[in-house]
Amino acid sequence: EAGVTQFPSHSVIEKGQTVTLRCDPISGHDNLYWYRRVMGKEIKFLLHFVKESKQDESGMPNNRFLAERTGGTYSTLKVQPAELEDSGVYFCASSLPTGQGKVCYGYTFGSGTRLTVV
Amino acid sequence: RKEVEQDPGPFNVPEGATVAFNCTYSNSASQSFFWYRQDCRKEPKLLMSVYSSGNEDGRFTAQLNRASQYISLLIRDSKLSDSATYLCVVNGGTTSGTYKYIFGTGTRLKVLA
Repeated sequence: EAGVTQFPSHSVIEKGQTVTLRCDPISGHDNLYWYRRVMGKEIKFLLHFVKESKQDESGMPNNRFLAERTGGTYSTLKVQPAELEDSGVYFCASSLPTGQGKVCYGYTFGSGTRLTVV
Repeated sequence: RKEVEQDPGPFNVPEGATVAFNCTYSNSASQSFFWYRQDCRKEPKLLMSVYSSGNEDGRFTAQLNRASQYISLLIRDSKLSDSATYLCVVNGGTTSGTYKYIFGTGTRLKVLA
């Protein structure tokens, strides 16, 4: 089974530029999550998709961040324009659909995209 | 072989028990090792970093065995609140020179009253 893949693995951009991160979840995983780890800090939740719908985007820091999941397959996270404080590692995770019993399935994480804004 | 492997569990243990999890990694060039705790539908929280000398934080002890390429987490005197998924995370070198974080699939622990 292919895991969660993220692309690129590392991106270095200048302040003010645009960057798009991509996440391919495991096939059949309706739930897709984006997280961010800023240097020296905890992993923070950004948003949660269920299929193509945004279930919870309470963690998105501001309107420079735009996430999409067209067709409920892969997801993109665009940062425009990028600022220095956006530097960090962006993780994506996916999990199976939540059943009627609200069973909490394990998450499968990608290996992250390291974003460096200079 | 997966880069980071964990027994998914679940481990069902009575309150007060001692429980240990292992995690194996395949890349001998791996540099940093961590245990994270994740509650259902919550973000992972760093539990502890793992060092070669081993480290302890209260009821939690982490060990790294580079020769055998595994890390372990020991929880003593389990509490009901310890019920969660424990993620093993390895940060290692890649052929391109960049580092990447590899998450294990997590081990589910359920502490029973």
